[in-house]
Amino acid sequence: KAGVTQTPRYLIKTRGQQVTLSCSPISGHRSVSWYQQTPGQGLQFLFEYFSETQRNKGNFPGRFSGRQFSNSRSEMNVSTLELGDSALYLCASSLGGGYTEAFFGQGTRLTVV
Amino acid sequence: TQLLEQSPQFLSIQEGENLTVYCNSSSVFSSLQWYRQEPGEGPVLLVTVVTGGEVKKLKRLTFQFGDARKDSSLHITAAQPGDTGLYLCAGAGTGGGNKLTFGTGTQLKVEL
Repeated sequence: KAGVTQTPRYLIKTRGQQVTLSCSPISGHRSVSWYQQTPGQGLQFLFEYFSETQRNKGNFPGRFSGRQFSNSRSEMNVSTLELGDSALYLCASSLGGGYTEAFFGQGTRLTVV
Repeated sequence: TQLLEQSPQFLSIQEGENLTVYCNSSSVFSSLQWYRQEPGEGPVLLVTVVTGGEVKKLKRLTFQFGDARKDSSLHITAAQPGDTGLYLCAGAGTGGGNKLTFGTGTQLKVEL
């Protein structure tokens, strides 16, 4: 059974640009969550999608957005990139329906210069 | 806002020693999970505890969920270099959904 796949693994962008990250969850999992990990703030919840609907949202500005497709694949977008957006972005896949165990992808390392 | 404090933040020990990592909060969680993360990789799920007072053992690792479901501990017996990594606890809120609140992390280094 394939795990969670995130693409790309590494990304370098310039301030002001936008970026789209992709996540393919484990087959059969309907919940996809996104997290930002930085040395100073640790792992912080961005948002969760379940059956194409945003179910939970963290305390991030509106520049951070996401969506989920009918096949459960998810994308997150960050517009008008800032230096502080440099981080490891992690996608987590869960069955949903009350099962909270999260299985993480390897992450996308975003560097904003 | 739910917060999870982990202690200690850093731990450097010799192979064969025992250790305990603590995860504390003032909030109640419906479940609590422990993860281990290697540099540049995503966290890997170790265990989920759901019931207050629950104890789970995975080989040399023992996990406990507090009676009030506000805190947890991870005990490692006879640590090995392969146990080196960042240990994270994460709590699932009682409001439903899959939002996890992560602890501050414990960086463990086990030396020969």
